[in-house]
Amino acid sequence: GQQLNQSPQSMFIQEGEDVSMNCTSSSIFNTWLWYKQDPGEGPVLLIALYKAGELTSNGRLTAQFGITRKDSFLNISASIPSDVGIYFCAGQLTYNNNDMRFGAGTRLTVKP
Amino acid sequence: SQTIHQWPATLVQPVGSPLSLECTVEGTSNPNLYWYRQAAGRGLQLLFYSVGIGQISSEVPQNLSASRPQDRQFILSSKKLLLSDSGFYLCAWRTLAGRSYEQYFGPGTRLTVT
Repeated sequence: GQQLNQSPQSMFIQEGEDVSMNCTSSSIFNTWLWYKQDPGEGPVLLIALYKAGELTSNGRLTAQFGITRKDSFLNISASIPSDVGIYFCAGQLTYNNNDMRFGAGTRLTVKP
Repeated sequence: SQTIHQWPATLVQPVGSPLSLECTVEGTSNPNLYWYRQAAGRGLQLLFYSVGIGQISSEVPQNLSASRPQDRQFILSSKKLLLSDSGFYLCAWRTLAGRSYEQYFGPGTRLTVT
């Protein structure tokens, strides 16, 4: 199935800096989800977005559902070392049971 | 609250041996259940999903199979493992939130086929 285009693939930042990553597609999605995965563990749901234009925060994380419904971004403010991990976007294409699409992930490294 | 369990956490198996990975969900009923495989440094590949007991849909032809003997139990199996079956296997369940879905993953099983 069609996957999402997630960028950047990796980021190396200094502690305290802000981070931005995004996912794009040529198709329209009706839900966007953002996950974080630590090494050797399953992805953990961070933020869920349901409506075009929606802006949702979870602590230092903020995500937006793009107006065109074809993209979403995730911002992390004032990064800390425990933000290290892989961040995945996921989009639900239709209301079918098997229509969740995933980005390849953004690997974030935070230098103290 | 809902929780999802997977076992074993890690597994090393020789080529040609059988496989059985188990996933159970607590705190919900009649969930949609999913098996994914994640190759090193890559995204998630959907293998199977189930909308109810005994109902299995396969997304990728392969030597793996899945079964759902109980409402909250999902099993991934193989009769003969291949080297290419190595990877990180994730079980997930999905819940309807309004008109959209939220999907939650288990802790995963690291499978190494030698």
